[in-house]
Amino acid sequence: NAGVTQTPKFQVLKTGQSMTLQCAQDMNHEYMSWYRQDPGMGLRLIHYSVGAGITDQGEVPNGYNVSRSTTEDFPLRLLSAAPSQTSVYFCASSYSLAGGPGDTQYFGPGTRLTVL
Amino acid sequence: DAKTTQPTSMDCAEGRAANLPCNHSTISGNEYVYWYRQIHSQGPQYIIHGLKNNETNEMASLIITEDRKSSTLILPHATLRDTAVYYCIVDGLSGNTPLVFGKGTRLSVIA
Repeated sequence: NAGVTQTPKFQVLKTGQSMTLQCAQDMNHEYMSWYRQDPGMGLRLIHYSVGAGITDQGEVPNGYNVSRSTTEDFPLRLLSAAPSQTSVYFCASSYSLAGGPGDTQYFGPGTRLTVL
Repeated sequence: DAKTTQPTSMDCAEGRAANLPCNHSTISGNEYVYWYRQIHSQGPQYIIHGLKNNETNEMASLIITEDRKSSTLILPHATLRDTAVYYCIVDGLSGNTPLVFGKGTRLSVIA
């Protein structure tokens, strides 16, 4: 298994540009999430999905859109990039969200985004 | 979700046991304690979790107090590669959202 993969690894955008961060997992996990991590900070939840066609907002959803058309993929779209969105973005997946062993989240390697 | 309190940073000599504490005084009966770590710039990595009993795996041991208000992650023989930020997280059976990460403890293993 490749686990959780993210592309691109690095990206530089200009203010106002849009782009999509890709995330895929091959573990047949129902639950997928996007986090952002600013320098010296913990991870903050942006959006998550509990299955194909179902998404919900996390702690910091503004400026981001998500959709989940397949179990494997969970792209994150930046609609109009702003310097405040400069961060490292991590995608994660898990078997469940209900606590216990199935709640273990597997993380991708991250996408480092800079918005000028 | 119950919140956790961890020291901001700790040092540990290489080869010694690293004991990382976590307070979770408002934990409820059906909530698990999870530990993750994040090595510089990488995605967080699952270490171990527990409910009531102490747990051990190939990476670490988790000691949970009888009242479940605190726990300790033990890395029995710390190496330089264990230098990372360690996150203690509480999450439960009634939860329907992904894990919430705090700022964690930055562990520095010193040669």
